[in-house]
Amino acid sequence: EVQLVQSGAEVKKPGESLKISCKGSGYSFTSYWIGWVRQMPGKGLECMGFIYPGDSETMYSPSFQGQVTISADKSISTAYLQWNSLKASDTAMYYCVRGRDLDYWGQGTLVTVSS
Amino acid sequence: DIVLTQSPGTLSLSPGERASLSCRASQSVGSRYLGWYQQKPGQAPRLLIYAASSRAAGIPDRFSGSGSGTDFTLTISRLEPEDFAVYYCHHYGSSYTFGQGTKLEIK
Repeated sequence: EVQLVQSGAEVKKPGESLKISCKGSGYSFTSYWIGWVRQMPGKGLECMGFIYPGDSETMYSPSFQGQVTISADKSISTAYLQWNSLKASDTAMYYCVRGRDLDYWGQGTLVTVSS
Repeated sequence: DIVLTQSPGTLSLSPGERASLSCRASQSVGSRYLGWYQQKPGQAPRLLIYAASSRAAGIPDRFSGSGSGTDFTLTISRLEPEDFAVYYCHHYGSSYTFGQGTKLEIK
């Protein structure tokens, strides 16, 4: 069974750094792109970017280029989404997804940024 | 970037009725890279349709997708109570864009 299990909810202050994770299981982790999707409170879905764990190739949507870093550790089948300096506007639910067609979704990680 | 526009914004129907949801692209996206997703409150979205017309694993056959180029439709042939949710289309080719969503609500 394909599963994407994300790390737990986070509460952070503006300016702090954060790295959330997504562990894949039940399939060949290095053979599928892993992406991240943002959903701000009460809003729609936005693709942030993808990584191909097999060779670490990454692609970012223009709105998120330079704002976040997507990485992966294929030895533990885990992808990451990282911020160096959080803003209040980063408050959102973040989902990891498998494949460019987003065929499997993680359960989501709620990130709250508030002073 | 390609913009996906979904209509209507909200669709009010009764169980048993047929639902047609539209997704229009600002330029041609072919037919291979268009997906439809369902999101219920408090849940992660799930894939319903990929490549415009192929049902994902485990999706009931009352869900169907059609279209190519710039115009796509998700049809639910006979609404069940669990189908009332928000639906998104998504292009995953040259860009990665979601439509703004259609809320399907009970009339």
